[in-house]
Amino acid sequence: AQKITQTQPGMFVQEKEAVTLDCTYDTSDPSYGLFWYKQPSSGEMIFLIYQGSYDQQNATEGRYSLNFQKARKSANLVISASQLGDSAMYFCAMDQAGTALIFGKGTTLSVSS
Amino acid sequence: ETGVTQTPRHLVMGMTNKKSLKCEQHLGHNAMYWYKQSAKKPLELMFVYSLEERVENNSVPSRFSPECPNSSHLFLHLHTLQPEDSALYLCASSQNSGTGGEKLFFGSGTQLSVL
Repeated sequence: AQKITQTQPGMFVQEKEAVTLDCTYDTSDPSYGLFWYKQPSSGEMIFLIYQGSYDQQNATEGRYSLNFQKARKSANLVISASQLGDSAMYFCAMDQAGTALIFGKGTTLSVSS
Repeated sequence: ETGVTQTPRHLVMGMTNKKSLKCEQHLGHNAMYWYKQSAKKPLELMFVYSLEERVENNSVPSRFSPECPNSSHLFLHLHTLQPEDSALYLCASSQNSGTGGEKLFFGSGTQLSVL
């Protein structure tokens, strides 16, 4: 069965610093996708970044990068140069062909000035 | 105009009421989803519709009844709910479903409180 684990309930970082949000996953299927979403207090889930299990390089989208370590089954999100607007809940998620996204419990990120 | 619109944003209802949540997507997608988000729990997939046909139902109680009249609209009809059903209900859409690697686009959710 698929499973997503986010072990950090909360993270605190200062503006302009980098932060890593942890995510581990479990699946027996060799083909899967890994996603990160951001949920600000408004409630909307905002897509940040995607990594396919066969992608050779780590995904990057602006200040977001995904540190994909397949053997360790981890897909950590790295946010460089944090901004106050990055304060939100962050969810790691996974899908496979034939299934919809499943999500982890989330990590609350607080960025201070 | 956002891609996925949910109404109402907030809803308070008694256990004997009947209400409906509405979701509309303007992205031309073929698949729509309902997720439930309770405090301190992962998002739970409730229903998936692909081309207006239900393709997944994750053992959701019958007091939740989905309806997908066309690929742009999705409803969640609620009746005789319980206080533990209080949660944020999120609607999402994607180009297709079940193919893997599909990015979901979410609405802002309906915050439901059952008294």
